Amino acid sequence: KAGVTQTPRYLIKTRGQQVTLSCSPISGHRSVSWYQQTPGQGLQFLFEYFSETQRNKGNFPGRFSGRQFSNSRSEMNVSTLELGDSALYLCASRRNTGYNEQFFGPGTRLTVL
Amino acid sequence: DAKTTQPTSMDCAEGRAANLPCNHSTISENEYVYWYRQIHSQGPQYIIHGLKNNETNEMASLIITEDRKSSTLILPHATLRDTAVYYCIVSPALIKAAGNKLTFGGGTRVLVKP
Repeated sequence: KAGVTQTPRYLIKTRGQQVTLSCSPISGHRSVSWYQQTPGQGLQFLFEYFSETQRNKGNFPGRFSGRQFSNSRSEMNVSTLELGDSALYLCASRRNTGYNEQFFGPGTRLTVL
Repeated sequence: DAKTTQPTSMDCAEGRAANLPCNHSTISENEYVYWYRQIHSQGPQYIIHGLKNNETNEMASLIITEDRKSSTLILPHATLRDTAVYYCIVSPALIKAAGNKLTFGGGTRVLVKP
């Protein structure tokens, strides 16, 4: 079974631009979560989607948004990029069971110049 | 979610057991203990989880104290590939209510040495 895939793997943007990251969950997984990882703040939860609905959201500004499609694939968007948005963005999927066993993708490394 | 406390780092000899402690003194009765690890430049990887009883799988064993205020992850025969940051996370069992959120702390940086 293929794992969680994320595209692109690396991205370089400049301040003020916007970016869209993509995540394809494991087949059959309907729940997708996004996390941001930086050296200073560690791994932080961004948001979670299930059946195209945002079910949970972390403490991030409105510049960070996401969506999920009917095939469970998900995208996240960051508008008006800031230098501090440079990070590894990780996507995770899981089956809708009672346990929080999440499968993470390799991440997208975003650099904002 | 309950907060966890882990040592910042630890070394382990290859082939020996690695015992990783975690304190979660404010854990609620419906919260599970999860362990994930993150090998450099990769996404986190689920290892094991438990509620009250000790658990074992092909990767590790999880020992939870009777009062549930602390736990220990045991890697029975550490290899160089086990070098990673290990995260102990407490998460509610009712996923539908709480959603998917995992709250990661700083974790323990484990270095397995030859």
